[in-house]
Amino acid sequence: EAGVAQSPRYKIIEKRQSVAFWCNPISGHATLYWYQQILGQGPKLLIQFQNNGVVDDSQLPKDRFSAERLKGVDSTLKIQPAKLEDSAVYLCASSFMTSNEQFFGPGTRLTVL
Amino acid sequence: GNSVTQMEGPVTLSEEAFLTINCTYTATGYPSLFWYVQYPGEGLQLLLKATKADDKGSNKGFEATYRKETTSFHLEKGSVQVSDSAVYFCALSENTNAGKSTFGDGTTLTVKP
Repeated sequence: EAGVAQSPRYKIIEKRQSVAFWCNPISGHATLYWYQQILGQGPKLLIQFQNNGVVDDSQLPKDRFSAERLKGVDSTLKIQPAKLEDSAVYLCASSFMTSNEQFFGPGTRLTVL
Repeated sequence: GNSVTQMEGPVTLSEEAFLTINCTYTATGYPSLFWYVQYPGEGLQLLLKATKADDKGSNKGFEATYRKETTSFHLEKGSVQVSDSAVYFCALSENTNAGKSTFGDGTTLTVKP
């Protein structure tokens, strides 16, 4: 069974630039999560989708971050404009709607210079 | 809000030593509890879980018991191996509120031969 796919794996940008991350969840998983993991900390939930609807985005900095999940499958997370403090690993995870066991992708390591 | 507190690391042990990593939580209601593991260069993966009080989760020789009275979910292993070297994350997921998840900051375990 294919796992959660993410791209790119690494990205280096300068502050005030824009960046986008892509995630393809495990087939059949209705729930998709985006996390931000700053070095030395645990993952922090940014946004959670159920199919193509948002169920929690309370910790998403909406002035610069946006996310969408078209057709309830793939998802993109965008940062515009990026700040130095956005340097982190961005993790995507997915789960069945009736389960809270999450399957994680390899993450995208973002460095903002 | 919810929170998860893990014992601070890093933890360094000799092979075959006994391992305990402490985890306590604060949550409304009765969440499910998880331990995730991140091996070097890999993504997070579920190690074990428990969904209600007094449940014991176990996998690969690791165990953790859901203790409601002490709001704890300590991870234990009787005899660690070099291959257990990784970062361990304790997490909770609400059983309502769309399963919102909260992670601890992780504990790095290094096992020396």
